[in-house]
Amino acid sequence: GEDVEQSLFLSVREGDSSVINCTYTDSSSTYLYWYKQEPGAGLQLLTYIFSNMDMKQDQRLTVLLNKKDKHLSLRIADTQTGDSAIYFCAEMGRDSSYKLIFGSGTRLLVRP
Amino acid sequence: DAGITQSPRYKITETGRQVTLMCHQTWSHSYMFWYRQDLGHGLRLIYYSAAADITDKGEVPDGYVVSRSKTENFPLTLESATRSQTSVYFCASRGLAGDNTGELFFGEGSRLTVL
Repeated sequence: GEDVEQSLFLSVREGDSSVINCTYTDSSSTYLYWYKQEPGAGLQLLTYIFSNMDMKQDQRLTVLLNKKDKHLSLRIADTQTGDSAIYFCAEMGRDSSYKLIFGSGTRLLVRP
Repeated sequence: DAGITQSPRYKITETGRQVTLMCHQTWSHSYMFWYRQDLGHGLRLIYYSAAADITDKGEVPDGYVVSRSKTENFPLTLESATRSQTSVYFCASRGLAGDNTGELFFGEGSRLTVL
């Protein structure tokens, strides 16, 4: 079945790079996503990558996709305290319903 | 205001009571979703709807009922609340199937406590 897994917690120092990892199971996923959830708020789309791409860069964010290993990562360069949040990896379900399957989320703590 | 809104934001109820969580979006999005967020489980899909009068079960539908009589509203009802339904509930919507980015727009969540 469809399943998305992430590590639960990551702590980094301000200014360092953060790398959040995700593994997924559905090799037919066309899109993979990273969502950010700040405290007390809903989720917001951070970035996404199409399955025929290996990498996507957007300012401080770099997404790497390894389809062979079904591994997705999000790198945040020069991490700031405002980046402290929960980050969710998600894949689009294999049927035509356009629902997203989310991982358990990685809580990123940025230490000053 | 434009967007997606949920109400109530916070609710405390007792076991066995009926509770309805409301979700309203102003974009006329076709798809709407209800997720619950629990520690260690991330977001799990409860129900979703592709259009008015079309709903379908997600991963964890037991104990929940939905309806979609109007495109903009997608209420979620717990017919007889149980403690295991204590959670944060998120409503989300997205545009037509041609929107291939798949972006979901989330409400701010409804935190439900069942005593």
